[in-house]
Amino acid sequence: SQQGEEDPQALSIQEGENATMNCSYKTSINNLQWYRQNSGRGLVHLILIRSNEREKHSGRLRVTLDTSKKSSSLLITASRAADTASYFCATARRDSNYQLIWGAGTKLIIKP
Amino acid sequence: DADVTQTPRNRITKTGKRIMLECSQTKGHDRMYWYRQDPGLGLRLIYYSFDVKDINKGEISDGYSVSRQAQAKFSLSLESAIPNQTALYFCATSDSQIAKNIQYFGAGTRLSVL
Repeated sequence: SQQGEEDPQALSIQEGENATMNCSYKTSINNLQWYRQNSGRGLVHLILIRSNEREKHSGRLRVTLDTSKKSSSLLITASRAADTASYFCATARRDSNYQLIWGAGTKLIIKP
Repeated sequence: DADVTQTPRNRITKTGKRIMLECSQTKGHDRMYWYRQDPGLGLRLIYYSFDVKDINKGEISDGYSVSRQAQAKFSLSLESAIPNQTALYFCATSDSQIAKNIQYFGAGTRLSVL
């Protein structure tokens, strides 16, 4: 069963704009991770936020976590054509040996 | 060279055939995973292995089997392929020494069962 649900399912923006994707989950977590998948390729880890953290930055990425609402958001600033990909959130729980439970993903298209 | 290598990259087979998908890694990780991805869905875990002698079923193990031949090799078999096993299959690894479970993925195997 999927833990995470992502919103929106698809997002199309102009190059240079910011892109925001959301992820909601159902149970308590140890950490939440975001991955990127270029069309038909393997997933690449982008950023991890622990359950006791509220915000984290990495380059043009900003992740927030609200454990009271069981939700997270990924912000990509100043988008580029190369950011076109699908983005997935995954949650890890200590009591399940940190197995990752995946959302269905947001497909992001950056228009030139 | 890729750290996590999957072979083959593409495979077309017929219903009822037995096929094997292979995964090898040079990352030195102890944990390995097999996932399946269907269009519009996230990844679903088929099997995972925490070391050579520790293999566990995931969410959707029916119709699949695995073998962990060595720490670096983890293969997935479809004993008798059926059309609804048509999907993109991914192998992933992680390091148990890092209690975060960041996973590293192969490029995937696209399997079509006719």
